[in-house]
Amino acid sequence: GAVVSQHPSWVICKSGTSVKIECRSLDFQATTMFWYRQFPKQSLMLMATSNEGSKATYEQGVEKDKFLINHASLTLSTLTVTSAHPEDSSFYICSARPLAGGPNEQFFGPGTRLTVL
Amino acid sequence: GENVEQHPSTLSVQEGDSAVIKCTYSDSASNYFPWYKQELGKRPQLIIDIRSNVGEKKDQRIAVTLNKTAKHFSLHITETQPEDSAVYFCAAHNQAGTALIFGKGTTLSVSS
Repeated sequence: GAVVSQHPSWVICKSGTSVKIECRSLDFQATTMFWYRQFPKQSLMLMATSNEGSKATYEQGVEKDKFLINHASLTLSTLTVTSAHPEDSSFYICSARPLAGGPNEQFFGPGTRLTVL
Repeated sequence: GENVEQHPSTLSVQEGDSAVIKCTYSDSASNYFPWYKQELGKRPQLIIDIRSNVGEKKDQRIAVTLNKTAKHFSLHITETQPEDSAVYFCAAHNQAGTALIFGKGTTLSVSS
């Protein structure tokens, strides 16, 4: 149980295009999902906290107009990178906190490798 | 907000030796401290965690200690094996008590 999927697992796009990444909790409902970004050989940096049915909370320095987050259901959150540029190339990882789980539980998706040419 | 410092950034040990990775955190209200192992291109995997109401937890070759007064916690791996080679991250809850804030990671290399 407690499986989180991400789609796509990797994507290559041209500079200036938008890319949507999906994060799904497959066997549980998640009130809260988190989006992290990880550059090569670096740590996971929290980008935003996504709550079902409400606006996401973005970390300082993360442009909310560039990284659009939608948490439309208890099993799906999407991250759209708008007008992507090469510096947005990174590994994007989501995690989901179960509705019925303990206060500390969260499960990570497998990540999405974004390459912007 | 929460800040997590992790040391060392790289650690090389011989197979069978012990490895210790240390982290400090800034927010005294943090109450949950997990450790993750991440292999290249994969998701982080939870290997052990500790809550603020205990000082030590052990799971076979892996143990974590927590000193709340000093705001630091450590990962101890005994009898290291080549398959332990990976990047290890410590983390702590941020002020909201929900999102995890990660340390910068330690690349552990175990040579046989």
